[in-house]
Amino acid sequence: DGGITQSPKYLFRKEGQNVTLSCEQNLNHDAMYWYRQDPGQGLRLIYYSQIVNDFQKGDIAEGYSVSREKKESFPLTVTSAQKNPTAFYLCASSIIAGSTDTQYFGPGTRLTVL
Amino acid sequence: DQQVKQNSPSLSVQEGRISILNCDYTNSMFDYFLWYKKYPAEGPTFLISISSIKDKNEDGRFTVFLNKSAKHLSLHIVPSQPGDSAVYFCAASGAGGYQKVTFGTGTKLQVIP
Repeated sequence: DGGITQSPKYLFRKEGQNVTLSCEQNLNHDAMYWYRQDPGQGLRLIYYSQIVNDFQKGDIAEGYSVSREKKESFPLTVTSAQKNPTAFYLCASSIIAGSTDTQYFGPGTRLTVL
Repeated sequence: DQQVKQNSPSLSVQEGRISILNCDYTNSMFDYFLWYKKYPAEGPTFLISISSIKDKNEDGRFTVFLNKSAKHLSLHIVPSQPGDSAVYFCAASGAGGYQKVTFGTGTKLQVIP
């Protein structure tokens, strides 16, 4: 049963703490993405990776970091430098990072910073 | 600068009628357009797409129309069903190589039984 898993579904952290969101896919996709969704806004791209050991900043990368050591995994760390980290975070993957390639999304992680 | 705009945050339609969701874009370099559907607490799922070389693409009850001169696209759902109630995101990307996908703010569709 192929797909993308994100864990946990809900996450609470104290202000000033770093937190890592997990994203795993077993679709054998080369490309992976992290988006952030805020109320009344579209999905905004944080980071993307076209291939293992490579990743690029998206539109709102400040305060976030990623790694891509394995094809299946693309964890996102929300650092204490992120000014407003409370949001819904979505991970996605696609076969390749082509402009017409369909992205498949995970169920998302809702992060609340107290 | 919102390059993909969905000006209607919500839409209510009676079951069996047509739902029309609209999307406008400002970037003339956009070449490929997609619609995603999202249920609460889930990730978006791909619904239908259209390339700029076409003006219409149909998949079952879903049809997307593209008017390049007006920089406007629309998603028609006929007939609408209660299970179609969700948030619909319009998205666009440029051509060639990797081009990031720009998403609109979404329209929440409610289909009333």
